[in-house]
Amino acid sequence: DTAVSQTPKYLVTQMGNDKSIKCEQNLGHDTMYWYKQDSKKFLKIMFSYNNKELIINETVPNRFSPKSPDKAHLNLHINSLELGDSAVYFCASSQEGNYMNTEAFFGQGTRLTVV
Amino acid sequence: DQQVKQNSPSLSVQEGRISILNCDYTNSMFDYFLWYKKYPAEGPTFLISISSIKDKNEDGRFTVFLNKSAKHLSLHIVPSQPGDSAVYFCAAGSFRSNDYKLSFGAGTTVTVRA
Repeated sequence: DTAVSQTPKYLVTQMGNDKSIKCEQNLGHDTMYWYKQDSKKFLKIMFSYNNKELIINETVPNRFSPKSPDKAHLNLHINSLELGDSAVYFCASSQEGNYMNTEAFFGQGTRLTVV
Repeated sequence: DQQVKQNSPSLSVQEGRISILNCDYTNSMFDYFLWYKKYPAEGPTFLISISSIKDKNEDGRFTVFLNKSAKHLSLHIVPSQPGDSAVYFCAAGSFRSNDYKLSFGAGTTVTVRA
């Protein structure tokens, strides 16, 4: 009964391809996120959705498009993959409310390697 | 521009001793802070948090201290255990921003020696 699950865990693909990473949470949270951990190990937010609506869109290329069919899912679609997109992508979710509930729960990560 | 900084990339400590992890932040809008623990090939898991109205929060072996004037927080683990060997991320957020975005530090790798 994984709280935040993302698939696939590993993804190796060629430059120029289009790929998707799926994320689902069964915690009943209202907010979901995508984070990217780059080669320097920094976790940087990419997108945040609250009840299927986009809240945060950091400076991310248009090739990255999140899609939230319902509040339990936030998928990440990437077009025309580039070598620099290689990273570990983490999905997370959290619940609105006071600070006691604002910790984000993370998925296990998807290691994307573009060759 | 990293708003949350963990200047020590690694820390080695003997089992039973105290581990002290440090974190500095630059954004005065941050009003809550969290520590996450991460094992290899797993996502970060929440460890402990503190809001800016407090200067200390304790949960079992883990204590977080916040010094708002210095924009500094620290995580104390005592006693350290082998299972504590992991990467620890400091994170900060702002209720006033209303977006629940967390800014993360680069992490500190803790190794607990038997």
